[in-house]
Amino acid sequence: DQQVKQNSPSLSVQEGRISILNCDYTNSMFDYFLWYKKYPAEGPTFLISISSIKDKNEDGRFTVFLNKSAKHLSLHIVPSQPGDSAVYFCAARGNTGKLIFGQGTTLQVKP
Amino acid sequence: GAVVSQHPSWVICKSGTSVKIECRSLDFQATTMFWYRQFPKQSLMLMATSNEGSKATYEQGVEKDKFLINHASLTLSTLTVTSAHPEDSSFYICSAGVVGVRSYEQYFGPGTRLTVT
Repeated sequence: DQQVKQNSPSLSVQEGRISILNCDYTNSMFDYFLWYKKYPAEGPTFLISISSIKDKNEDGRFTVFLNKSAKHLSLHIVPSQPGDSAVYFCAARGNTGKLIFGQGTTLQVKP
Repeated sequence: GAVVSQHPSWVICKSGTSVKIECRSLDFQATTMFWYRQFPKQSLMLMATSNEGSKATYEQGVEKDKFLINHASLTLSTLTVTSAHPEDSSFYICSAGVVGVRSYEQYFGPGTRLTVT
């Protein structure tokens, strides 16, 4: 049972445009949601998080939106840069503190 | 801040031998460390949660006798893959939970590529 899903395995965007990465979850008890960026053969790098009591968090070019009624969150990157090309994982934290990861979305930003 | 290191970054071992992977939080104390495994083009799967000074909690389906975890201090956790087999070949990643206000964040190590021949 996949509690956190990223239904788009890949996304290609032109440099300067907006990248929107989506994530759906099933467990309404998750209290934090996080986005990580990962390059091949490296560990994930924390990008941005959002509490379940908020609907938006912004940090520079990265904004995360949370729609609790739809159990959906998204990561917006604007403007997208070639260096943003990587695999992006969304993760949700349960009440035990464990993170549950989605399958990841590979973002390619074309110059 | 919040740097996590892993050693070794890659290791090749023969089937039947044991391999130890170290995970260190370099500039913070981590009461909780997590061990993940990632297969190619797949998500990170949590293997176990380790708390300093106590036994690790393993996820369902993970053999605790095969994947020995020790969390001896607030900055060091080790994963030992015992009697390794080719199917244990994978990318192993640890993470450390930050104590305090941002305790919901986990910071990941760079990972260890294990190849069992």
